[in-house]
Amino acid sequence: EVQLVESGGGLVKPGGSLRLSCAASGFTFSSYSMNWVRQAPGKGLEWVSSISSSSSYIYYADSVKGRFTISRDNAKNSLYLQMNSLRAEDTAVYYCARSQMVRGASHDYWGQGTLVTVSS
Amino acid sequence: SYVLTQPPSVSVAPGQTARITCGGNNIGSKSVHWYQQKPGQAPVLVVYDDSDRPSGIPERFSGSNSGNTATLTISRVEAGDEADYYCQVWDSSSDEVFGGGTKLTVL
Repeated sequence: EVQLVESGGGLVKPGGSLRLSCAASGFTFSSYSMNWVRQAPGKGLEWVSSISSSSSYIYYADSVKGRFTISRDNAKNSLYLQMNSLRAEDTAVYYCARSQMVRGASHDYWGQGTLVTVSS
Repeated sequence: SYVLTQPPSVSVAPGQTARITCGGNNIGSKSVHWYQQKPGQAPVLVVYDDSDRPSGIPERFSGSNSGNTATLTISRVEAGDEADYYCQVWDSSSDEVFGGGTKLTVL
């Protein structure tokens, strides 16, 4: 069974940093692209970042470019999102999601999400 | 930037057919994916590549895409279909884009 479990969310002050993790199991992690998608409270889905299976290709939404860094460790079946210079508008549930390709493919499995709250 | 437009809400009686649209410039040339999200839960993929269904998704869920509109059709709607639905595409100028979401209410 495919499982994606996010962790690392919490309350952080504006300007602070946080590192999210996503632990994957039930599939060959190194064969899939991975993504972060977020959802602000009461709002819709927003794509954040994608990384290809071998980390060769990485993409970011303009809203996080230069502040967030996506990475993965295929030996540990884990995906990460380093978030720096956090702003109030980064407050959201952050989901990790799997896809067949780094661009254009659907996200066929999602984790349950981890809540990030940026507030003083 | 590429914009996807969905109606905020759609209402349908049980047993009827719900159609949720997703509008975008020449969206018919793109692959459209649809997600269902129930309150407090993660999104679930219900249709991918315009009209394909993942395993485990009922045949009542179908999709089409042409011109400037993609449509998710839910036949024989059940109370359990009540949820938010999002369309998604990839665009060369905007990367990954989601529609604003449509709340499906089963009357």
